[in-house]
Amino acid sequence: GAGVSQSPSNKVTEKGKDVELRCDPISGHTALYWYRQSLGQGLEFLIYFQGNSAPDKSGLPSDRFSAERTGGSVSTLTIQRTQQEDSAVYLCASSTPGGKKNEQFFGPGTRLTVL
Amino acid sequence: QQQVKQSPQSLIVQKGGISIINCAYENTAFDYFPWYQQFPGKGPALLIAIRPDVSEKKEGRFTISFNKSAKQFSLHIMDSQPGDSATYFCAATSPYTGNQFYFGTGTSLTVIP
Repeated sequence: GAGVSQSPSNKVTEKGKDVELRCDPISGHTALYWYRQSLGQGLEFLIYFQGNSAPDKSGLPSDRFSAERTGGSVSTLTIQRTQQEDSAVYLCASSTPGGKKNEQFFGPGTRLTVL
Repeated sequence: QQQVKQSPQSLIVQKGGISIINCAYENTAFDYFPWYQQFPGKGPALLIAIRPDVSEKKEGRFTISFNKSAKQFSLHIMDSQPGDSATYFCAATSPYTGNQFYFGTGTSLTVIP
């Protein structure tokens, strides 16, 4: 596909369960970002992967959140022991940093609902 | 602390009017300032962007005005149309900030026919 894809598009889970959200970035993009967008809110940075460098995890809100990026491509965001306040849209974006146009391409997001 | 502050939170404009959204930033190391447009149920998409070596950039009905000394930039939408109704986010980034993007809190624009 030409764009960033995310799966699932919607996820409903019960409080206390673990969830995994997947992001497939644009092929060749070395940078991958995860954001959280709560209803009517802005984009909250979660984590940033760039090539083989150690990820910038400074935005992860708690140790229940983790992410990995395998082979420099697909990324999985894992939320353990989900809480109701974790309900939000989780957006993934990829880019090729530097150059004249430093554009982030966003996926459609995964809407997570924790009951 | 909020690295990029955006206002207003919401904006209602008549069709054909001018929509203006403002952003201010703190870090003078930022060197790339994009605006993203987001429709309901979709991810944000790049609308227009500017680097601080110019004071204005225009693409069709969309213009970014950039004031480096005031550390402010704004998006102007001329001849606003109902199809422009969306949420708009400003952002700032720099290699010196690790290429992390700092987003404003968003402006919900409604253009009334």
